[in-house]
Amino acid sequence: KAGVTQTPRYLIKTRGQQVTLSCSPISGHRSVSWYQQTPGQGLQFLFEYFSETQRNKGNFPGRFSGRQFSNSRSEMNVSTLELGDSALYLCASSLALTSGMGEETQYFGPGTRLLVL
Amino acid sequence: AQTVTQSQPEMSVQEAETVTLSCTYDTSESDYYLFWYKQPPSRQMILVIRQEAYKQQNATENRFSVNFQKAAKSFSLKISDSQLGDAAMYFCAYRQDSNYQLIWGAGTKLIIKP
Repeated sequence: KAGVTQTPRYLIKTRGQQVTLSCSPISGHRSVSWYQQTPGQGLQFLFEYFSETQRNKGNFPGRFSGRQFSNSRSEMNVSTLELGDSALYLCASSLALTSGMGEETQYFGPGTRLLVL
Repeated sequence: AQTVTQSQPEMSVQEAETVTLSCTYDTSESDYYLFWYKQPPSRQMILVIRQEAYKQQNATENRFSVNFQKAAKSFSLKISDSQLGDAAMYFCAYRQDSNYQLIWGAGTKLIIKP
């Protein structure tokens, strides 16, 4: 079974632009979570989607948004990019057999490395 | 708010020896999960081992085992017979039972000496 895939793998943008990152979960997985990883702040939770609904959101400004499609694929968007948005963005998927959490493990994609100039 | 602390920024071990990575956490929840993830230079985050808080028995996965001390809020990872391929950043993570948000420690860089 294919793992979590993320596209693109690398991205260079300039300040003020916007960017969209994509995540395809493991087949059959219904929950998708996004994380930002930077040298200064470490790993931080952005948001989690299940059944096309955002269930949980981290402490990030409104410039960071996401969505999930009916096939469970997810996108995250960052508008008005700032230098501090340069990071590795990781996506993780979970089976989520029911709408509850239960004993679920998150499996991660390879990440998208975003550089903002 | 829940927090996870990894007090060892870097550890080194001789190949074939045993090393223990430390992790402490703070929570007022009773139901939660703890994880160790490995991130090699490829940056792919790989699950090493998980522990359910309601289980008293420590989790083991081949050469990897944990020492889970719930009262002390401690969750250390022991790697036996260290191999060169174990070299990576190791992250301790916490998740409460009610959502999928992982709260991460700062990570420990593990160096394996041949």
